[in-house]
Formats: sequence, C-alpha cells, structure tokens
Amino acid sequence: NAGVTQTPKFQVLKTGQSMTLQCAQDMNHEYMSWYRQDPGMGLRLIHYSVGAGITDQGEVPNGYNVSRSTTEDFPLRLLSAAPSQTSVYFCASSLTATNTGELFFGEGSRLTVL
Amino acid sequence: AQKITQTQPGMFVQEKEAVTLDCTYDTSDPSYGLFWYKQPSSGEMIFLIYQGSYDQQNATEGRYSLNFQKARKSANLVISASQLGDSAMYFCAMRAFRTGANNLFFGTGTRLTVIP
Repeated sequence: NAGVTQTPKFQVLKTGQSMTLQCAQDMNHEYMSWYRQDPGMGLRLIHYSVGAGITDQGEVPNGYNVSRSTTEDFPLRLLSAAPSQTSVYFCASSLTATNTGELFFGEGSRLTVL
Repeated sequence: AQKITQTQPGMFVQEKEAVTLDCTYDTSDPSYGLFWYKQPSSGEMIFLIYQGSYDQQNATEGRYSLNFQKARKSANLVISASQLGDSAMYFCAMRAFRTGANNLFFGTGTRLTVIP
C-alpha cells in the first residue's frame, strides 16, 4: 500500500528559485490538500482540492500554486521561493471533504530557502 | 471560525503510567469531528483516534481513548500504560463538516516524553 507519496523529502533552494513538490495518492481519494508545519504553529492549510479540476485556497496560500489534473496527483508549486517558505510540507488526502474518516498524510517534505 | 487549543507544550510521564493530553476546541458548527495525530521524531503524521460530535460514546483505540466532553468543548487524549515509543508530538485537530470541511484545523501540539 503506497498511500500518499511525496517527493522530494528534502530540498534546499535559493531565494527566487521555483520548484514543485509532488504528491500522489493511490486510494482514489477525492480530497487532497497541502499543509505546512512551522515550529510552534501546528499545521496550516495552504491549498486543497475536492476533485480533479477543482482547487481552492486555504489559510496561507500566498506564494504557492496548485493544480489537479488527475484524481491521483496534486503538485504544489513555489513560484519564487522566499526564506519565509522554509518549512515542512505535508500532502494529505481523504475519501471526501465531508467524510468522517481520517486524513492520510504523506511523509513530509522539508524545504529550506536560503 | 474554528479553533483548537492545546495548552500543554510539554508533558512527562513515567513508563507504564497513564497520561492525559488536553485539547479544547471552538466551533459553531453542530457537526464536526475531532482527531488526534502522533508525530514521532521521524516526522510522519500517524492517525490515532477519531470522535464525531454526534457520537454517544467516547472513542477508544487500543491504549488510546478520547475523553469527549461536549458541553465543555474538550477532547482530551488519554494514553494508558505509556511506553517509551509513545514519546512524540501529539496534535489535536478538528474538522467542521458543514462550515469548514475542507480544512482540518490543528492545535500547536504537545510534546510527550515517556521516562523509563
């Protein structure tokens, strides 16, 4: 069972560079999301999707872009990296947005922006 | 708006003892779910237990139980018979199904250390 797969696990960027964090799930989940985790702040929602072709902003969307062309994939793009985007990023999915089941998380991607 | 509060930044417990991690929440949505996740030092998020707002009984999963007090808006996690492997960060989270289902709101976490 692959579950939710994120790549890369570690990345170092220079300010201004762009990159894409990949996320894929093999559970046929409709809902997918990206969170960032910063010390002392818990996890905060960046963007989410409730199905292919449908995305929306979360709490902290600035500086990030997403797309959902397939049910399986939900990449997160950093358009022009800034040191404030240094964080651990988690992709998560669930069957739907309203089901009572758990959110399944990827293993996380640690991003450092210099 | 939804809010989760975890007031214990760190907790210590003796091995084999029970420990309670506090969580209070705030929402005006009558339909919501409460979750607890464990994050060991390796970084992954591990789902522990779920409680629905309409569930009549407190949720239990093995050594984990959720002390759900709806009137007080609290959802404390109880870990019985603590083990060294329980040392980790623990996050309480809430999903409001009618007004904010697309976001799982997290607290700031409690770091649990189990002492041998």
